[in-house]
Amino acid sequence: AQKITQTQPGMFVQEKEAVTLDCTYDTSDQSYGLFWYKQPSSGEMIFLIYQGSYDEQNATEGRYSLNFQKARKSANLVISASQLGDSAMYFCAMREGLTFNFGNEKLTFGTGTRLTIIP
Amino acid sequence: ETGVTQTPRHLVMGMTNKKSLKCEQHLGHNAMYWYKQSAKKPLELMFVYNFKEQTENNSVPSRFSPECPNSSHLFLHLHTLQPEDSALYLCASSQDVGQGIRYFGPGTRLTVT
Repeated sequence: AQKITQTQPGMFVQEKEAVTLDCTYDTSDQSYGLFWYKQPSSGEMIFLIYQGSYDEQNATEGRYSLNFQKARKSANLVISASQLGDSAMYFCAMREGLTFNFGNEKLTFGTGTRLTIIP
Repeated sequence: ETGVTQTPRHLVMGMTNKKSLKCEQHLGHNAMYWYKQSAKKPLELMFVYNFKEQTENNSVPSRFSPECPNSSHLFLHLHTLQPEDSALYLCASSQDVGQGIRYFGPGTRLTVT
């Protein structure tokens, strides 16, 4: 079974509209972290937002927010007021378990969603 | 500026060639990673180095050989590759416990002919 599922291979959204990118995860660990990354066509992977499994509040970073629904194992990314520069691949990722080894983070990624913003 | 650089950005090599990918970070991080991104597949973790010691080898074929001479540099030595090894190879680094990987390099686009 896939640990990270992104069911939307591609999305087209009008500029200035809000967009929600879906992500569901599968883990039996109580402690885990969820991440979203943006990958423009140039290839670099850009960190957007992080949500810890024990965080009670949904994470927010500027125009990005993470809609964390723990019981549903869902961690959707919401981008408010989309811009043309938001067009890119977006990846959801998960780190399972406690990180006992300092700095040793292993992430499992989803297959991504290609977001295209239409002017 | 992400703080993680990779060279070369593009590489074309034959199946009998030997080449190396280089990754460098000046963020003071102690852990470095190699990920492989193939078309239409999730990113796959290849290797993890923590304080210059390899802590993870995700069943990677021996034609990929990593080297980490210090905490700032990471290499991936390539030899006798296969066409299916063509992919984007991403290097990353991390420092803070529990904060995940926040810094990736721009990647090396590898084509094996």
